[in-house]
Amino acid sequence: LAKTTQPISMDSYEGQEVNITCSHNNIATNDYITWYQQFPSQGPRFIIQGYKTKVTNEVASLFIPADRKSSTLSLPRVSLSDTAVYYCLVGGRDDKIIFGKGTRLHILP
Amino acid sequence: DVKVTQSSRYLVKRTGEKVFLECVQDMDHENMFWYRQDPGLGLRLIYFSYDVKMKEKGDIPEGYSVSREKKERFSLILESASTNQTSMYLCASSPPSFVGRDYEQYFGPGTRLTVT
Repeated sequence: LAKTTQPISMDSYEGQEVNITCSHNNIATNDYITWYQQFPSQGPRFIIQGYKTKVTNEVASLFIPADRKSSTLSLPRVSLSDTAVYYCLVGGRDDKIIFGKGTRLHILP
Repeated sequence: DVKVTQSSRYLVKRTGEKVFLECVQDMDHENMFWYRQDPGLGLRLIYFSYDVKMKEKGDIPEGYSVSREKKERFSLILESASTNQTSMYLCASSPPSFVGRDYEQYFGPGTRLTVT
């Protein structure tokens, strides 16, 4: 099971684009990359998932380079309500899911 | 919308008590999970279940047991609560894994358990 490494915390300002990078050097061929968001006093919420190249939805974009050893979650024009913890997960169909400590994103006015 | 509900948002129990945490999901999901979340440690998987009456240990099963008698309900049991089990407990469910949508788990609001 691929281990992930992401920054413990990040600060940004409202209206900026925020990029959170996750390293997963031991990613396996069948592994997908998934990101969750967690607000205080709530359970995590699925944001986006990808396998390679780029995935975009209404909330975020996920960039995955060709070697897949890292991935970057991009949040466009953040607002104060994007302050949350963001988790990067890597695994395949039969893997146990492991949430790390995540990245605590703090958006400043 | 998928809904995962947990029996209590806040619970206070005494050391040695037997504690039941209930989780119910309404989307006919096969998979259900119990996590605990502690400051600085992130989410840790306690137990999970892929089917009725089926259970698998997660990373920290010691001191816990689970029960899944019906597909929609997954219970976490603390046989004899201890102070080090004071934590936020989160339940989640997910459909069967298939290519492209693995790991889309839906979480409940959590139960903050305090053991005194």
